[in-house]
Amino acid sequence: GENVEQHPSTLSVQEGDSAVIKCTYSDSASNYFPWYKQELGKRPQLIIDIRSNVGEKKDQRIAVTLNKTAKHFSLHITETQPEDSAVYFCAAFIGGSSNTGKLIFGQGTTLQVKP
Amino acid sequence: NAGVTQTPKFRILKIGQSMTLQCTQDMNHNYMYWYRQDPGMGLKLIYYSVGAGITDKGEVPNGYNVSRSTTEDFPLRLELAAPSQTSVYFCASRGALTYEQYFGPGTRLTVT
Repeated sequence: GENVEQHPSTLSVQEGDSAVIKCTYSDSASNYFPWYKQELGKRPQLIIDIRSNVGEKKDQRIAVTLNKTAKHFSLHITETQPEDSAVYFCAAFIGGSSNTGKLIFGQGTTLQVKP
Repeated sequence: NAGVTQTPKFRILKIGQSMTLQCTQDMNHNYMYWYRQDPGMGLKLIYYSVGAGITDKGEVPNGYNVSRSTTEDFPLRLELAAPSQTSVYFCASRGALTYEQYFGPGTRLTVT
């Protein structure tokens, strides 16, 4: 079935270092790939997303890259800060058409940024 | 706008009891979703709706039912609660012309 694999499950970095989280997806027709940040006890919050017609997107310290051929996409956080500590989820929009598609989520990555 | 709201925030059920989780959005979004999130896991889609009167199953629909009589409301019904349904439940919505989903604050459900 359709699935999204996310790695690593946990990631610990020193403040100021970069963090990279990777996801692979199974449905080659997927056309939208969001990343969510979830702090403890809170709802998921969208932090960045990318469409299938774009290879890279950047927003300040956060960037996402997409390789459609290999069916994988990655989240890059530079100059990490303690407030970046959270669980990060990738997702892929399955079903093609915006009218009937749905998001399939990865298993999540717990990022810890040590001061 | 309040966005997506959910009630209750917390609930403890006994095995076999029933309850309805409420979800309301005030953004006039066509699409609404119910997810469950087990501890340390990602979100699993339970049911979704593409508009009033139209619902469809997601990845994990067993033990749940939904209805969508209005654009604003998308309640999730648990008929015979089981310990396996202990989870955090999130409702989400999105507009017809975008992919971005907006999440509610969640309902933490414990079945004992």
